[in-house]
Amino acid sequence: NAGVTQTPKFRILKIGQSMTLQCTQDMNHNYMYWYRQDPGMGLKLIYYSVGAGITDKGEVPNGYNVSRSTTEDFPLRLELAAPSQTSVYFCASSYPVRQGNEKLFFGSGTQLSVL
Amino acid sequence: GDSVTQMEGPVTLSEEAFLTINCTYTATGYPSLFWYVQYPGEGLQLLLKATKADDKGSNKGFEATYRKETTSFHLEKGSVQVSDSAVYFCALSDRGGSNYKLTFGKGTLLTVNP
Repeated sequence: NAGVTQTPKFRILKIGQSMTLQCTQDMNHNYMYWYRQDPGMGLKLIYYSVGAGITDKGEVPNGYNVSRSTTEDFPLRLELAAPSQTSVYFCASSYPVRQGNEKLFFGSGTQLSVL
Repeated sequence: GDSVTQMEGPVTLSEEAFLTINCTYTATGYPSLFWYVQYPGEGLQLLLKATKADDKGSNKGFEATYRKETTSFHLEKGSVQVSDSAVYFCALSDRGGSNYKLTFGKGTLLTVNP
């Protein structure tokens, strides 16, 4: 049972480079999310999606783009990497959320350094 | 806005010791409260939750009670094990806000020594 799979696990980028963080889930969840976790800080929501073809911004969307062409996949794109984007990135998924039922399933994270 | 404040870590305990990790929150509405746990090398997973005042969430020997009067949701375990070593995150979902996102605390690293 794979759950939520993120690739790569680690990556080092140079300033100005671009890359895509991959996320796929095999639980047929409608909802998917991208969070980032900076050292000593809580998780911040970057983007989320409530279904294929529907995405919306979270708290910290600047510098990122997402797409949701299928239920399973929710890639996160960094177009011009900046040192401020050095962080650990978590993808998560869930069934349709209602109050008190916010059980998210997380991937194991991608550690990204921009130098 | 909504916020969650957790006690500063890291916390280091001996096996069978009592654990408390403090969590307080600020919310505009009537939130649901959660504890998530992240074991080394893994993603976060839901540990327990409570959806209304005085509710007690429990799982794997951990407990937390929703205290509206003190806006707190402290995590406790009577006897920790080495396998409990992990990062613990307190989180809330505010009924007055979006149903699509959680607000997380900074996380508390717990290390349990044999």
